[in-house]
Amino acid sequence: DTAVSQTPKYLVTQMGNDKSIKCEQNLGHDTMYWYKQDSKKFLKIMFSYNNKELIINETVPNRFSPKSPDKAHLNLHINSLELGDSAVYFCASSPTAARTGELFFGEGSRLTVL
Amino acid sequence: DQQVKQNSPSLSVQEGRISILNCDYTNSMFDYFLWYKKYPAEGPTFLISISSIKDKNEDGRFTVFLNKSAKHLSLHIVPSQPGDSAVYFCAAISGSARQLTFGSGTQLTVLP
Repeated sequence: DTAVSQTPKYLVTQMGNDKSIKCEQNLGHDTMYWYKQDSKKFLKIMFSYNNKELIINETVPNRFSPKSPDKAHLNLHINSLELGDSAVYFCASSPTAARTGELFFGEGSRLTVL
Repeated sequence: DQQVKQNSPSLSVQEGRISILNCDYTNSMFDYFLWYKKYPAEGPTFLISISSIKDKNEDGRFTVFLNKSAKHLSLHIVPSQPGDSAVYFCAAISGSARQLTFGSGTQLTVLP
């Protein structure tokens, strides 16, 4: 029974397309995150939601739009995909707004833009 | 500008020996440090952490050391086991933002 699950795990698409990645957590956590792991392997935060409210919005293109319909779900929609968007995207959650940084991560969604 | 640096992309150690993974940081406002472990095709999992008010934290085979004056922390695994083979990420968190800043990871391979 996966605690933080993301779908799809793999996504291959053409430049210019629009795609979504879904994330769900069954841990009862209040806070959810999207991280991007780039080609240099750094994990960088993109967004964070606490109880459906956006609390962290890093400098990412506005082609990326997160949506949290409830505190158990945080989806990521990407418009007009570009080659540089190819990366692994990780969803994560924490009981509260990560005071001590202990996050629970999903397995990742590998996006390849051709 | 990478505030958390793991300068060794990879490390190989013999089973039973000690593994030492290193991490340096530049932001003196970081007040909590963590290590995450990641297996292929899985997300990172929390391993061990240390507050900036301490210089050592131990959990079983894993010990994290913090040297604030040098802005350096290290993870010691002893004895190393083949199942410890994974990528280890160092991370730090600071102040009101409470955002995690990750390093680029070190691939540890424990040879049987």
